[in-house]
Amino acid sequence: GIQVEQSPPDLILQEGANSTLRCNFSDSVNNLQWFHQNPWGQLINLFYIPSGTKQNGRLSATTVATERYSLLYISSSQTTDSGVYFCAVEDYGGATNKLIFGTGTLLAVQP
Amino acid sequence: EAQVTQNPRYLITVTGKKLTVTCSQNMNHEYMSWYRQDPGLGLRQIYYSMNVEVTDKGDVPEGYKVSRKEKRNFPLILESPSPNQTSLYFCATGRQGAGYGYTFGSGTRLTVV
Repeated sequence: GIQVEQSPPDLILQEGANSTLRCNFSDSVNNLQWFHQNPWGQLINLFYIPSGTKQNGRLSATTVATERYSLLYISSSQTTDSGVYFCAVEDYGGATNKLIFGTGTLLAVQP
Repeated sequence: EAQVTQNPRYLITVTGKKLTVTCSQNMNHEYMSWYRQDPGLGLRQIYYSMNVEVTDKGDVPEGYKVSRKEKRNFPLILESPSPNQTSLYFCATGRQGAGYGYTFGSGTRLTVV
């Protein structure tokens, strides 16, 4: 099955700093999403981005499908950005009908 | 507002006492699914449904049942809960191929003692 790896596993930032999170996947995919799991456990959909670049406020994401990776950029980080960031992919044929999640990046933003 | 609503948010129960976790979506999506999240194991799919009256097993279906009698609802049933079903559960919905991805509910934290 498709393997999804995220790096770094942990990240500590000072408020105001920028960061880049990476997601590598082992095979072609037709659905890639980034999620933020906040400290209360909720999974918030950040981006649906199987290819290209999208921006939403201080966050942006880029997926290069041909090279099998995606990047999530967080600029001017705030304490509310803390939590775990997951990328998740669905296989190309959609045969599995499920999202395969990476292991996540645990982000802590300190004031 | 597009929503996936799970209830309850928190539940503590005893071994063997049947329970149901409800999931409802107002997005008119055909696809719904249940996941559980455990430390060190990540998120794993329990069951999914492609449409009304169509359900199928995911990776960890043992000990769970689902039903899909109407498009908006997809309840997860634990007939005889055991402590190894203590977990954080998520319901998800999506419209495959439409470019919107999947939307998750707020989660249900279940403890079985």
